[in-house]
Amino acid sequence: SQTIHQWPATLVQPVGSPLSLECTVEGTSNPNLYWYRQAAGRGLQLLFYSVGIGQISSEVPQNLSASRPQDRQFILSSKKLLLSDSGFYLCAWSASLWGAYNEQFFGPGTRLTVL
Amino acid sequence: GENVEQHPSTLSVQEGDSAVIKCTYSDSASNYFPWYKQELGKRPQLIIDIRSNVGEKKDQRIAVTLNKTAKHFSLHITETQPEDSAVYFCAASIRDTGRRALTFGSGTRLQVQP
Repeated sequence: SQTIHQWPATLVQPVGSPLSLECTVEGTSNPNLYWYRQAAGRGLQLLFYSVGIGQISSEVPQNLSASRPQDRQFILSSKKLLLSDSGFYLCAWSASLWGAYNEQFFGPGTRLTVL
Repeated sequence: GENVEQHPSTLSVQEGDSAVIKCTYSDSASNYFPWYKQELGKRPQLIIDIRSNVGEKKDQRIAVTLNKTAKHFSLHITETQPEDSAVYFCAASIRDTGRRALTFGSGTRLQVQP
C-alpha cells in the first residue's frame, strides 16, 4: 500500500531564515505531487503541483519554491521566510494514470511557525 | 478556472440528528467530487467521493448526492455521533487533464453536541 511521509512535523523559524520541507511517497511510481498550505482555521491553498521529475507548476506567486529531484520526493523551500508563511503545510499525492480520477491522499503535515 | 462554494461555514447538530453540507461548482467540465474530513491538528482524510456518472453514493452513515444540471453536490451524515465533529471540505476536479488538481471549498466546521 502507499504511504506518504513529511518532515519535520513541527518547525519554528525566525523571519528571514531559509526553509526546507520534505515529502516522500512509498508504494507507487510516478505520482502527481502537491503542496498545500492551510492557515489557522482556514481552507486549503494549493501552492505547487508536479506531474513528474523536474516538472513544477506554481499556483500562487510568492517567496516559496518547490523541487522534485526524484520521482517520489517533493521539496518545498524558501530563501527568506515571512511571518505570513506560518501555517500547516500538507503534501499530497495522486495516481498519474491517464483516465484515473484525482483521488488525493495527504501526508501528516508540517506545522510551521515563523516568529 | 474552477470555483467551489461551500456552506454553511459552521453547523451544530444534536447527536443522532442528520447533517447536510452543500457545495456548488462553476466549471461544468468537473467530473470528480471528493469530500474530506479534517480533525483538529490532523491531515484531511478522504471519506467519500462521487463521479459525474452517478447521482448518489452511500457508505454506511454518509452519502453524497450530485446534481450536474444545477452544478451542486451535498454531503449527508445521518445518525451523527460526537466523533463526526470535524471540519469537512468538498472539492472538485476534472478528470484527464494535465493539471489534475483539486479545487477545495472553504470548509464546514461540524459540531455534534452529545
